[in-house]
This record gives sequence, structure tokens and C-alpha cells, in this order.
Amino acid sequence: RKEVEQDPGPFNVPEGATVAFNCTYSNSASQSFFWYRQDCRKEPKLLMSVYSSGNEDGRFTAQLNRASQYISLLIRDSKLSDSATYLCVVNQGGKLIFGQGTELSVKP
Amino acid sequence: GAVVSQHPSRVICKSGTSVKIECRSLDFQATTMFWYRQFPKQSLMLMATSNEGSKATYEQGVEKDKFLINHASLTLSTLTVTSAHPEDSSFYICSAQTGDFDQPQHFGDGTRLSIL
Repeated sequence: RKEVEQDPGPFNVPEGATVAFNCTYSNSASQSFFWYRQDCRKEPKLLMSVYSSGNEDGRFTAQLNRASQYISLLIRDSKLSDSATYLCVVNQGGKLIFGQGTELSVKP
Repeated sequence: GAVVSQHPSRVICKSGTSVKIECRSLDFQATTMFWYRQFPKQSLMLMATSNEGSKATYEQGVEKDKFLINHASLTLSTLTVTSAHPEDSSFYICSAQTGDFDQPQHFGDGTRLSIL
């Protein structure tokens, strides 16, 4: 079993759609959690941290459920510029463990 | 803030060449720097962790004599791929972190290495 597993992609959605990404992690001792965004052939960029209390940044909402070891990312009113690969990332003792990423393609 | 610069962005060289990649934190002091590798359609995989002034800690399966890491200051770490071969062709990315280990890492813009 992979340490961090994400929804397989790609997700193809129209502009304005709401899209949700799911992620599970296997190590219950993981300390912190993030969503990163990676554009094609570019470096990952931090999108947001994820907390049990939830974290909202504009159209993006991230949620953590420690009991079920589950992380989610919700994107509302998706834009063409949201097209990218979204990486679920878990910090285990200072090491970042990356999910394989879910590709999102937003179409006009 | 939290800008990490990586240089060069692209390298194409012959098999057997050694290639040096620099990673700099421009506007903060990085207590820890990390080196990752990403093959096409795959996740980023951590290669090694380095702290300023001490030896790097390598992940299992990563040859320390092949991938030399030097972390001479709080703003600079270098990765040297020694005697590179075609199978070393990959996207190499560094990241830098300040403060506690649970803080976000900030990534450089990566180096695409192609060995002919």
C-alpha cells in the first residue's frame, strides 16, 4: 500500500464546476499535511496547509480527518487556470511524502 | 517571500560528465534543505536531507557517492551528480525549510537533467 494515495485522474471539468479531490495516508503518526499544485514540467507550489479545523482560501477548501486518515481539497467555481496536477503531501518526521498527484483539466 | 532559486534550470551533457546543481534560499535562512527527483509521470521522491554544516542524510537506495551534497551555508546547498549516465536523467528539485520540521517546504524551480 502506498503511503499517500490520491484519486486517480485525470479530472476533466467545465469552467465553474466544483471539484473534490480525496487523499488517504497510511501512517497515523504523520504530523502535518499540505496540498501542493504542480504545473507541467514545473516545481510544486504550496497551495495550502491542511488542518483538522478546516482551511479555506478563496475558492479552495481543505479538510483533514485524522481519525480516518483522510484529506480533501474542494475547488469551487473552477477556472481554466486551475488546470494542473494537485499533490497531496504528508509530513512524517520532517520528510515530505508525496502522493502521485491528481491531474485536473478545466475546459471552457 | 520564501523564494528558492535553483540553477541551472536545464542541463544536457554527455555520459560520464559530473553535473553540479545549486539551490539557494534568497530571502530566508534555510535550516534544512531537501533534494528530490521526479521521473516522468511519477511522484517526487526524496533523495536526501541536508542541514547546514553537517553531512546529508540519504534515503534508502540513493548512493551517497553518486549524489554528492554540500550544504555550506544557511542559504546554499549543492547537489553534484557524479559520472552521470542516461538513467540519471530526471527532474531534480530542491526545497528549503526554516524553523520546525512541520513547516512547509519551499521549492526551487527544478533542474531538468538529460544525459546523452
